[in-house]
Amino acid sequence: DTEVTQTPKHLVMGMTNKKSLKCEQHMGHRAMYWYKQKAKKPPELMFVYSYEKLSINESVPSRFSPECPNSSLLNLHLHALQPEDSALYLCASGPAVKNTGELFFGEGSRLTVL
Amino acid sequence: AQSVSQHNHHVILSEAASLELGCNYSYGGTVNLFWYVQYPGQHLQLLLKYFSGDPLVKGIKGFEAEFIKSKFSFNLRKPSVQWSDTAEYFCAVNTPNTGGFKTIFGAGTRLFVKA
Repeated sequence: DTEVTQTPKHLVMGMTNKKSLKCEQHMGHRAMYWYKQKAKKPPELMFVYSYEKLSINESVPSRFSPECPNSSLLNLHLHALQPEDSALYLCASGPAVKNTGELFFGEGSRLTVL
Repeated sequence: AQSVSQHNHHVILSEAASLELGCNYSYGGTVNLFWYVQYPGQHLQLLLKYFSGDPLVKGIKGFEAEFIKSKFSFNLRKPSVQWSDTAEYFCAVNTPNTGGFKTIFGAGTRLFVKA
């Protein structure tokens, strides 16, 4: 079982909806990540938070809005998405100090945009 | 920009066959290297990692990988696969000089082991 939990596991939304994906980790990590994985493709980095501050945004469209309310929680707010945004969204956590890049993933939230 | 290449997209093996999955990366500096595995219906999990030291690293479930710096390679091996090794395998590279926050994944190799 993973110690990084993501909710919901599945989400279907229309292009005008506003929804959020949530991620929680209890590993004491101070870096948290959002990755996007399309079918049969590798995970692609979207955002990185380090000590609750956004440190990397990989030129993600503004219809995706991340939030890190505290060291254990990471949200991804979704608004006015497009069908091509349908994908598996993966949350991961890892150490922020002496960071080797090792990632601990959640099971993902599978998003379908109609 | 760094990139990761996995040579085989699909591999089919019979049980007890030996496995080698190729991985090459393009980056001239210090790297940390990983293999992640994604079993059907499960989350991505770490199989093994290399940071420094002995270039032959051992991971879980009998997997090992060898870092060959001169070839920019980090190939994954297992002497005898089992049906339960059916999964997708991702090679990943991280460059510590970016704070360790950017990990780039290869395209993945889908392994199917026939019972």
